Amino acid sequence: DTAVSQTPKYLVTQMGNDKSIKCEQNLGHDTMYWYKQDSKKFLKIMFSYNNKELIINETVPNRFSPKSPDKAHLNLHINSLELGDSAVYFCASSQELRQQNTGELFFGEGSRLTVL
Amino acid sequence: RKEVEQDPGPFNVPEGATVAFNCTYSNSASQSFFWYRQDCRKEPKLLMSVYSSGNEDGRFTAQLNRASQYISLLIRDSKLSDSATYLCVVIPLDGNKLVFGAGTILRVKS
Repeated sequence: DTAVSQTPKYLVTQMGNDKSIKCEQNLGHDTMYWYKQDSKKFLKIMFSYNNKELIINETVPNRFSPKSPDKAHLNLHINSLELGDSAVYFCASSQELRQQNTGELFFGEGSRLTVL
Repeated sequence: RKEVEQDPGPFNVPEGATVAFNCTYSNSASQSFFWYRQDCRKEPKLLMSVYSSGNEDGRFTAQLNRASQYISLLIRDSKLSDSATYLCVVIPLDGNKLVFGAGTILRVKS
């Protein structure tokens, strides 16, 4: 069983469209994240949720709206897609919010978004 | 200045070689440090933690220098399967997020 699964794996769409990426974890973790990895491979946090509560929102445009219906799911909806949104979006989870001890995030396989 | 900086490489080394990467971090209050590995078109995975006293796991050794604010990763007897991008990761004081470096590419060739 995949621990952190996200769909779709690939997404090609036109500028201006709205799209969603779904993420589910079956690890029983309390905290989930969205990271964005751009063309320069820089992996940057976008959001984190702990028990469905938004904890981190890292200066992400309002066009990006995360939703956590329960602690096992964290979806990402993107409105009015722009060329610069093209990237790989990784969902991740961790056992707890503060990770000083283990530092271990479990990542999904990534969703490669291409905006034309 | 970026929070975490790494030499992007690529480091091209022959099998059996020893290779070392460094990573510098800007926030002196950072409290936890890790190395992640990311294979091409795959997700990042935790490789090892970096402790103040150093940490060794088989062919891999990680060290922390708090005074100079850098961490290092040493790989001995490189294998073809070590080819990947190695990401330096720092956890700031509040501990709520992992901050990733852009990664160092390693290519081990036969």
